[in-house]
Parts: sequence; structure tokens; C-alpha cells
Amino acid sequence: GAGVSQSPSNKVTEKGKDVELRCDPISGHTALYWYRQSLGQGLEFLIYFQGNSAPDKSGLPSDRFSAERTGGSVSTLTIQRTQQEDSAVYLCASSSQTGYGYTFGSGTRLTVV
Amino acid sequence: DQQVKQNSPSLSVQEGRISILNCDYTNSMFDYFLWYKKYPAEGPTFLISISSIKDKNEDGRFTVFLNKSAKHLSLHIVPSQPGDSAVYFCAASASSGAGSYQLTFGKGTKLSVIP
Repeated sequence: GAGVSQSPSNKVTEKGKDVELRCDPISGHTALYWYRQSLGQGLEFLIYFQGNSAPDKSGLPSDRFSAERTGGSVSTLTIQRTQQEDSAVYLCASSSQTGYGYTFGSGTRLTVV
Repeated sequence: DQQVKQNSPSLSVQEGRISILNCDYTNSMFDYFLWYKKYPAEGPTFLISISSIKDKNEDGRFTVFLNKSAKHLSLHIVPSQPGDSAVYFCAASASSGAGSYQLTFGKGTKLSVIP
């Protein structure tokens, strides 16, 4: 597609439930990134994919967080047993080369109640 | 430990005047710097960047200045327009090494341009 697409745009979930967030990167972009922005904070790096592999998962805040990417395209970020502190805007970005000129999606606003 | 700091959470400027947004960094490995602009309910969009081999980069109304010795950069918008009202994020990366793919962001500065 023309841009990075994320779905859903908003998600309200009950504490303890699992959620899946989806990202469709720009076609042909091999690098894909997940960031999150909590209230009043900057963007926090979560995970980076090059193709289908994730060389760096160090930003994932806990083992409740996981992500995968299939076919070098769509990525899913899964949060298990959600907690209130998981409430944030989750942003996906893609780029044709690493580290420069990210294109971000509009994000998924996750609210855990 | 914040490696990229934007110490002003907000800034108000009159239309037509200059807006100056500041950013400081602590990691001496950073050698590439970017500014992103974010409107509500949208993702950040790339605005302008600068490599550490330069001390200035200009693109239309936007100019970024880099002072490596002070580990400081600034974004100048001249003249400011109401459509420039947004949150501006400073970001940095190290072009070599294990973390070269990762951008480290500041917390952002909300710019309001008053008509």
C-alpha cells in the first residue's frame, strides 16, 4: 500500500485479556519496527524485524510481549495478560534501509481497563 | 536514562515569527539526527535530518543546526505558520554498531503557532 497501515486504530480491553495489533508495512520495505508511546513519554523502541527475523527483541518490556512477521510483510504484536501499564499508543514503522527515514503508521491506541 | 532530551514540553510562537525547538543528547555514538512532526491521531512524519559531518541542514522554512561539542541540536522554523502547530520529536541514531537500526526519541515539544 501507499503507507503503513495499522489496525485496529483503537482498542479497549479488560485487564488480563490478550490483544493482537497488526501492521501492514509499505510494500517492499524490508525493515519493520514497533515503538510505543506512553502518556507524556517519548517513543520507546520495542522490536525490529529485518525480513521475517527479529535480530533485536531487547526492547520488549516483558515476556508477555511477542511479535512475529510473516512473508516479509505483515507483522503482529501480541500482548498477553494485559496490564494497565500496557496502555499506550503502539506505533509501527517501516523503511527500505535500516536506521533512516522511517515511515510510521497512525498507531493503535490501546487502553487497558 | 534519557539519551535524547527535549526539555521544553511546549512552545507558543506568533505566526510569522521564528520557532526554535531544542534537543540535547548524551550518547557520543549518535551521528545521525532527525526531526519528526506529529499531528494528533496520526503517526510521526519525517521532517528533516542532519549527519554529524555537517553543522547545518536547510529545507525550505526548516533548518536544523548541530553543535557536536555541546551535544545539542535545534530546529528553526521561519516563518512559523499555524499549520506548523504539532508535536515535534527529536531522534538520534548511531550509524554503525549493533544498534544502528534503532532511533532513540525525545519526549517531544508541542508547538503552538498563534495566528
